[in-house]
Amino acid sequence: EVQLVESGGGLVQPGGSLRLSCAASGFTFSSYAMSWVRQAPGKGLEWVSAISGSGGSTYYADSVKGRFTISRDNSKNTLYLQMNSLRAEDTAVYYCAKSSGYCSSTSCDHFDYWGQGTLVTVSS
Amino acid sequence: DIQMTQSPSTLSASVGDRVTITCRASQSISSWLAWYQQKPGKAPKLLIYKASSLESGVPSRFSGSGSGTEFTLTISSLQPDDFATYYCQQYNSYSPVRIAFGPGTKVDIK
Repeated sequence: EVQLVESGGGLVQPGGSLRLSCAASGFTFSSYAMSWVRQAPGKGLEWVSAISGSGGSTYYADSVKGRFTISRDNSKNTLYLQMNSLRAEDTAVYYCAKSSGYCSSTSCDHFDYWGQGTLVTVSS
Repeated sequence: DIQMTQSPSTLSASVGDRVTITCRASQSISSWLAWYQQKPGKAPKLLIYKASSLESGVPSRFSGSGSGTEFTLTISSLQPDDFATYYCQQYNSYSPVRIAFGPGTKVDIK
């Protein structure tokens, strides 16, 4: 059974940093691209970042480029999101999502599994 | 970047109704479109991928159609478990990866 469990969310001040983790199980982690998707309170879904199975290619939404870094440790079956220079508008539930396949230079396969999400609140 | 729109934003329906949600892309995305269902406080769930392929385990009352810029999600006979918000998602941007979701359609009880 595929499981994705996020952790690391919490309350952080504007300008601060936070690192999210997503522990994966039930599939060959290194064979699949992974993404982070967020949802602000009462709002829709926003894709944040994606990473190839090997970790060699990464992709970012313009809203987080230069502030967030996605990475993965395939030996630990874990996905990460390092978030720096956080802003109030980054407040959201952050989901990790497994792609059904891979990412190319122009696309990532659709998301077939999602974690339960972790809440990040940026406020003073 | 490719923009996604959905209509309607809210839909009131009764159990047993046939429901159709429309998703439009600002430029052609071929069939690179998925549909997700989300209930309050829960993660999204994949329903349809590649515009019309039903995800394993999803009831057959859900179907998807379309290609290019216009797509539809149809629920043939609405069930109590189907009251939720539905999102479309494009996943091939023909440029550096830019995955985009539609704004969502909330299906509530009439």
